[in-house]
Amino acid sequence: QVQLVQSGSELKKPGASVKVSCKASGYTFTDYAINWVRQAPGQGLEWMGWINTNTGNPTYAQGFTGRFVFSLDTSVSTAYVQISSLKADDTAVYYCAREAEAGHYYFDLWGRGTLLTVSS
Amino acid sequence: SYELTQPPSVSVSPGQTASITCSGEKLENKYVYWYQQKPGQSPVLVIYQDKKRPSGIPERFSGSNSGNTATLTISETQAMDEADYYCQAWDSSVVFGGGTKLTVL
Repeated sequence: QVQLVQSGSELKKPGASVKVSCKASGYTFTDYAINWVRQAPGQGLEWMGWINTNTGNPTYAQGFTGRFVFSLDTSVSTAYVQISSLKADDTAVYYCAREAEAGHYYFDLWGRGTLLTVSS
Repeated sequence: SYELTQPPSVSVSPGQTASITCSGEKLENKYVYWYQQKPGQSPVLVIYQDKKRPSGIPERFSGSNSGNTATLTISETQAMDEADYYCQAWDSSVVFGGGTKLTVL
């Protein structure tokens, strides 16, 4: 079954760090880039950037540089996003999404999302 | 930075046709994608490259893109189509519209 399985909900305090995982199955992981999308409570979709699953090269969208790090473990077909120095504004659902066609930047497969709550 | 504008809400009666617009400068020069998101669920791609339907998406979903406006059209709208719909394009980065809540009443 072709799917992206994300790690479970997280509750973190301000200033802490978190690492969210996204495990691919049912297809060749390195054939498709992985993108990350954030959705704050009651808000729309916001693109965070993407990672090339062949080279591991990440690209970050404006507003997602510095505290956000995309990484891979291709041995287990898993992508990660690590967020450091957490703020209340980081409270959101974080989705990983597979890029349907290389260079076309649209997404045909999404994870179920990971809810991150940042609260003291 | 590039912006995509959608109406916050659209209402339609069951069996009627719903049209959701997405506006952006010279949008016809870009591919537009549409996602459906139901409450508590992940987005689902319903239209890609302006007007193509992924496998498994009903034929009642169609798309067009001309001038500065792309349109998602849902014919014979059903209660199950009630959801948020987002348009998306690429302009040096992925850009999403603000989303439109489709109500079927």
